[in-house]
Amino acid sequence: AQKITQTQPGMFVQEKEAVTLDCTYDTSDPSYGLFWYKQPSSGEMIFLIYQGSYDQQNATEGRYSLNFQKARKSANLVISASQLGDSAMYFCAMSLGNYKLSFGAGTTVTVRA
Amino acid sequence: SQTIHQWPATLVQPVGSPLSLECTVEGTSNPNLYWYRQAAGRGLQLLFYSVGIGQISSEVPQNLSASRPQDRQFILSSKKLLLSDSGFYLCAWSHDRGDEQYFGPGTRLTVT
Repeated sequence: AQKITQTQPGMFVQEKEAVTLDCTYDTSDPSYGLFWYKQPSSGEMIFLIYQGSYDQQNATEGRYSLNFQKARKSANLVISASQLGDSAMYFCAMSLGNYKLSFGAGTTVTVRA
Repeated sequence: SQTIHQWPATLVQPVGSPLSLECTVEGTSNPNLYWYRQAAGRGLQLLFYSVGIGQISSEVPQNLSASRPQDRQFILSSKKLLLSDSGFYLCAWSHDRGDEQYFGPGTRLTVT
């Protein structure tokens, strides 16, 4: 069974600094997708970034980048130039190409002014 | 552009009462539809998914059921709510399996 681990329950970051959120995954399937979502206090899950297991380059979307280290089975999210609006819970998720997204427990990020 | 709606936004129901949560998607056709539940401070648990009208797959046996009467409508129901049904319910859609899923605003359910 696939498993997603996020070991950081909460993090503080100073405004304008970068923050890295850790995510490790466990699967024996060679084909999979990795996702990051942001959940602000309003509750809505916002899709941020996607990385496919066969993608050669790390995914980037604006201030978000995914540090994909396949051999280590890690898919860390890097948020650059943090803003106050980045304060939220962040979830890592994995799909094996079926209909199921398996989510980690999440990491709460608090951006300080 | 595609949008996904859920209602109601919040709901307080007594134990043993029925439940009906509705989700609709606009701006796309033949979406895959999903129902998730999130306990307080936890990750999401997939409850049901649907690949077409009338087609429902259950991931977790429980007190809930789902139906898809129209292409872009997904309903989560219960005949008799339990205290353990309390939580945050999120509906989502995707173009295809394995794709990113887009979530609605969610329904916060409290069973008293």
